[in-house]
Amino acid sequence: DTGVSQDPRHKITKRGQNVTFRCDPISEHNRLYWYRQTLGQGPEFLTYFQNEAQLEKSRLLSDRFSAERPKGSFSTLEIQRTEQGDSAMYLCASSLRQHTDTQYFGPGTRLTVL
Amino acid sequence: AQTVTQSQPEMSVQEAETVTLSCTYDTSESNYYLFWYKQPPSRQMILVIRQEAYKQQNATENRFSVNFQKAAKSFSLKISDSQLGDTAMYFCAFGFDYKLSFGAGTTVTVRA
Repeated sequence: DTGVSQDPRHKITKRGQNVTFRCDPISEHNRLYWYRQTLGQGPEFLTYFQNEAQLEKSRLLSDRFSAERPKGSFSTLEIQRTEQGDSAMYLCASSLRQHTDTQYFGPGTRLTVL
Repeated sequence: AQTVTQSQPEMSVQEAETVTLSCTYDTSESNYYLFWYKQPPSRQMILVIRQEAYKQQNATENRFSVNFQKAAKSFSLKISDSQLGDTAMYFCAFGFDYKLSFGAGTTVTVRA
C-alpha cells in the first residue's frame, strides 16, 4: 500500500529563486490538498483539488504561488521569487471522494530560503 | 472560520501511565468531523483517531480514546498505557466540508 509521497524532501534556495514541489497522492484518491506548516505550529490550508480542478485557494496563497494537478493524479506547487518568509514545511494530503473522508498526509517538503 | 485551541503546549508522562490532551473548537456548524493527528519528530503526520460530530459514542482506537462533548465544543484525547513510541507532537483538527483547521499542537514526551 503506497502512501502519499512528496519530492524533494528538503529544498534550500536563495531568495528570489523559483522552486517547485511535487506530490503523488494515494492512487485511488481524487482529492488533493496542500498545507503549509511553520515551526511549532499546526498546518494551514493552502489549496485543494478535486481531480484536476482547483476548487479553492487560501488567502495565504499569494500570487507568487501556483498549484496544478494536470491529469488529476500528481500535483505540483510552484513558488516564484521566493522570500525568507516562505521558509516552512509544505505538506500534501489526499483523500477519497467524499468531503467526509480522512485526509492522509505525505512526509512534506521542507523549504529553507536563504 | 473555525478556530481550534490546544491549551497545553507540552505534556510529559511516565511510560505506562495515562495522559489527556485537551482541545476546544469554535464553530457554528452542526455536522463536522474531528481528528487527532500525531507527528513524530522529523516524521510524517499520521491519523490517530477520528470522531463524527453526529455520533454520541466516543471513538476509541486501541490505547487511544476521545471524550467528545459537542455542546461544550471540547474534544480531548486520552492516551493509556503510554509507550516511548507515543512521543510526538499531537494536533487536534476540525474538519468541515473539505478543509481541515488545526490547533497549534501539544508536544508529548514519554519518559522511560
